[in-house]
Amino acid sequence: TQLLEQSPQFLSIQEGENLTVYCNSSSVFSSLQWYRQEPGEGPVLLVTVVTGGEVKKLKRLTFQFGDARKDSSLHITAAQPGDTGLYLCAGVGSGTYKYIFGTGTRLKVLA
Amino acid sequence: KAGVTQTPRYLIKTRGQQVTLSCSPISGHRSVSWYQQTPGQGLQFLFEYFSETQRNKGNFPGRFSGRQFSNSRSEMNVSTLELGDSALYLCASSTGQPSSYNEQFFGPGTRLTVL
Repeated sequence: TQLLEQSPQFLSIQEGENLTVYCNSSSVFSSLQWYRQEPGEGPVLLVTVVTGGEVKKLKRLTFQFGDARKDSSLHITAAQPGDTGLYLCAGVGSGTYKYIFGTGTRLKVLA
Repeated sequence: KAGVTQTPRYLIKTRGQQVTLSCSPISGHRSVSWYQQTPGQGLQFLFEYFSETQRNKGNFPGRFSGRQFSNSRSEMNVSTLELGDSALYLCASSTGQPSSYNEQFFGPGTRLTVL
């Protein structure tokens, strides 16, 4: 069974601080997506990473896919209150269309 | 391109009743997946439909069922509602192809409250 573990589960930081969220598995994924979800709304797709070692930047957010395509990280620079939300990673199994969702990281950025 | 739409957005039912939720995927997408999200259990996969056929199924009781129409719109039905069915029900659409860029896009969800 493929599992995706996210850490930390909860994070409360001050505005302007940096943070990193991790998404780990023992399985190989053909791609990995990161989503942000706000209360009462559906997750919004932030990025998809496909190639091992790939790094993608979205303004202050940096996403990296592990070389072996088993893990990923999300780094936020100078966090702002607008970054508050639930961050979810989701992996697609190699050669399949099945999605495996991570356990989620709930981030709160205090002004 | 219009996003994924779900109706209704909010629903209040009582135990024992049944409910039907609707999802319209992004135009051109043939796969619709349904998820249940609760604070305690996180995001749990219910089932996936592709070209009117259920292709994947999660570990939920038979009270949870769904279907997909020829225009790719999907409905989800929950019969004999229980208090524990209170949750945010999310629908996600994708092309459904086993490709690395087969991204899922979510709707805003239907908040179901069972009293």
